[in-house]
Parts: sequence; structure tokens; C-alpha cells
Amino acid sequence: QKEVEQDPGPLSVPEGAIVSLNCTYSNSAFQYFMWYRQYSRKGPELLMYTYSSGNKEDGRFTAQVDKSSKYISLFIRDSQPSDSATYLCAMKTGNNRKLIWGLGTSLAVNP
Amino acid sequence: GAVVSQHPSWVICKSGTSVKIECRSLDFQATTMFWYRQFPKQSLMLMATSNEGSKATYEQGVEKDKFLINHASLTLSTLTVTSAHPEDSSFYICSARRTGGPLETQYFGPGTRLLVL
Repeated sequence: QKEVEQDPGPLSVPEGAIVSLNCTYSNSAFQYFMWYRQYSRKGPELLMYTYSSGNKEDGRFTAQVDKSSKYISLFIRDSQPSDSATYLCAMKTGNNRKLIWGLGTSLAVNP
Repeated sequence: GAVVSQHPSWVICKSGTSVKIECRSLDFQATTMFWYRQFPKQSLMLMATSNEGSKATYEQGVEKDKFLINHASLTLSTLTVTSAHPEDSSFYICSARRTGGPLETQYFGPGTRLLVL
């Protein structure tokens, strides 16, 4: 079993839809949870990070962490064609610099 | 802020030659930089962790003599792919952790696409 599981998609939604992206993990020691966006042929861009459980909101993006279920989510409201990219979750323990990555979910927002 | 650059953005080389890729943090200092490799439709694979002024820490299965890493200053790390072969063709991405910044924050460069003929 991989430490981090993420459905690679692809996920295709109409413009304006609410998008839900998810990752599950097996290591209960993970404390930091990140979401990165990667456009084709570009490096990943940090979107959101959360420490421990809870929600965090930034504009149209909301990150949720449920440590009891070992499940994290990223919600995108009012999705735009410019949101079309691959979204990668990543996480780490408190004393380890190494990030553990999900496979990435490919999202296409259709105008 | 938190801009990381990579140079070159793409390179084509002949089999057997060496290629050097530079990673620079432009507006912050980074004691730690990371080198990743990414194959098409796959996630990022950490190759090594580069620490300023000390030897890099390589992940299991990554040949340290083939992928030479030098982190000579707080803003520059280099990855040299020695005696490159076609199977080394990939997308190489670096990231940098801001000195004194939260442990969880890594900023990524735009990547370098390497094609070995």
C-alpha cells in the first residue's frame, strides 16, 4: 500500500462547478498537508498548506484535513478554465523534511 | 516573493555527455534544496536533498556518482547528470526551503526538461 493515495483522474467539469479533490494516507504521523498545482511542463506551485486537522480557506480554494479518517480534500469553488492543471497532494511528518507525494489528479475545466 | 529559477529550461544532449542544471532561489536564502525527477503522467520522485555546505543526501536507488549535487551557496544548488543515457531523459525539478521558514514550505522551480539522444 502506498503511503499516499490519489486518484489520477482525469476529472472533467464544466466552468463554474465545485471541484473536490482528495487524498488518503496511511501514516498517522503526517502533520503537514499541502496541495500543489502543476501546469503542463511547469514546476508545482504551492496552493495551500495545513497543519494538523481542520479547514483552511483562501479565495476559491478550501483545504480540509480529517486526521481521524486519514483523508484530505481540496475544494475549488466557481472553477475556471485556468484551473485546468494537475493537483498534487503532499504531506510530511513533523521532523522530516521529505515530502510524500500523491500521484496527482488531472483536472480539466471546460468553458 | 519566493521565486526559484532553473537553468536551462530544456536541454538536448548526446549519450555519454554530462549536463549541469542550476537551481537558484532569487529572493530568499535556502539552506535546503531538493531535486526531483518526474516522468510523464507520474508524480514527483525525490532524488536527493541538498544542504548548503555539506554533502547531499540521496534517496534509495539514486546513484550519487551519476547525479552529482553541489550546494555551494545559500542561493544556488547544481545537479550534474554525468555520462547521460537515454533512460535519464526526464523532467528535473528543484525546490527550495526558505531559511528560517516553515518546514512545510517548499518553492519549486519551473523544471528542466532533459532529452538524451
